Amino acid sequence: DIQMTQSPSSLSASVGDRVTITCRASQSISNYLTWYQQRPGKAPKLLIYLASNLHSGVPSRFSGSGSGTDFTLTITSLQPEDLGTYYCQQSFSSLWTVGQGTKVEI
Amino acid sequence: QVQLVESGGGVVQPGRSLRLSCAASGFTFSSYAMHWVRQAPGKGLEWVAVISHDGSDSYYADSVKGRFTISRDNSKNTLYLQMDSLRAEDTGVFYCARDFAVTSDAVDIWGQGTMVTVSS
Repeated sequence: DIQMTQSPSSLSASVGDRVTITCRASQSISNYLTWYQQRPGKAPKLLIYLASNLHSGVPSRFSGSGSGTDFTLTITSLQPEDLGTYYCQQSFSSLWTVGQGTKVEI
Repeated sequence: QVQLVESGGGVVQPGRSLRLSCAASGFTFSSYAMHWVRQAPGKGLEWVAVISHDGSDSYYADSVKGRFTISRDNSKNTLYLQMDSLRAEDTGVFYCARDFAVTSDAVDIWGQGTMVTVSS
């Protein structure tokens, strides 16, 4: 299986800060990388697909980059509603795998 | 509106079986692949299984392969997950999710989840 490793596991930042979350794959996955946001007590929401494509309705402060094994999710100006846990997921393999998550606290 | 509603969760003893259902509405169910994703209490997401739009193909995570079976009834707009030989580590919230039609590399619609507790 392809292992996905996120860093950091958690972070605390202030409103307006720039936040960066990293996801590393155990082998090259091209750009088959998705980011999700999960707010406390809620189902996850799709943020970014194919590494850098913003899903419809997602604020432009979210962006994704990377290819191969190293990927980044950036929030350019953190807002209070961005509190939650962020997950990366690979779809290069038919057996999808998900990173362990990064918890963002405000 | 587009909606997925899971049901069938509950408390079950180790080694027993349980079947989850997911009722879809607001979109053409038969056109989409569908997934199950689970989350153990206080833990991260784990992809469980996917089934093609017509039910002809399916894939499973290694942790459930041989014990879980994903299926669908397009005439009833319903997705299923048959879970056999349940273990304590299968405890968690189970979400059904719709494949993202733009790329089929993500899921874009999630249900609210149904809780499964495996305990004696």
